[in-house]
Amino acid sequence: AQSVTQPDIHITVSEGASLELRCNYSYGATPYLFWYVQSPGQGLQLLLKYFSGDTLVQGIKGFEAEFKRSQSSFNLRKPSVHWSDAAEYFCAVALTWNRDDKIIFGKGTRLHILP
Amino acid sequence: KAGVTQTPRYLIKTRGQQVTLSCSPISGHRSVSWYQQTPGQGLQFLFEYFSETQRNKGNFPGRFSGRQFSNSRSEMNVSTLELGDSALYLCASSSPGQGNTEAFFGQGTRLTVV
Repeated sequence: AQSVTQPDIHITVSEGASLELRCNYSYGATPYLFWYVQSPGQGLQLLLKYFSGDTLVQGIKGFEAEFKRSQSSFNLRKPSVHWSDAAEYFCAVALTWNRDDKIIFGKGTRLHILP
Repeated sequence: KAGVTQTPRYLIKTRGQQVTLSCSPISGHRSVSWYQQTPGQGLQFLFEYFSETQRNKGNFPGRFSGRQFSNSRSEMNVSTLELGDSALYLCASSSPGQGNTEAFFGQGTRLTVV
């Protein structure tokens, strides 16, 4: 069955430090890939997505992610985190798009920022 | 352009009751998906509607149902509520047929079953 794994439930980094959140997916073909962020009490906001083309994707708020087919990974990175980045981050895949808009989410990684 | 609107934002119900949640998608979006978010299970797909038809359904019991109206607004109904149905219910809308679009999420309805 298709799945998305975020191996880190919690991550703590210091403000100004770099960040990498891991995401691995299980699927026979290349899915559509997303990273969402959820602040407390809020819905989900799309940070970036990969549909095809350049495997390094730039998103909002200074985030980027790299699709690595050989590793079935789509890790999220940011060179320098800000206190406002503290939130929960979800990696997600869609097996088709515009025909069947079903998104499968990972369990999420909660990011804590130390001052 | 207004975002995805979910009503109500908060709801408290008693076991055995039923509840209806509403989602108004972004204007022009014809696909509406519903998700349940709980601390234990994370975000799980409930179902997706497109042009008033259910296109896909997740692994939830028949107590969970939905529908979509001609104006693309969608409702989700849960009957015979159980304590385990307490969750944040999120709705997302998207616009199929316009290339690599994204799904836009509402702020959710927080349902508490007591």
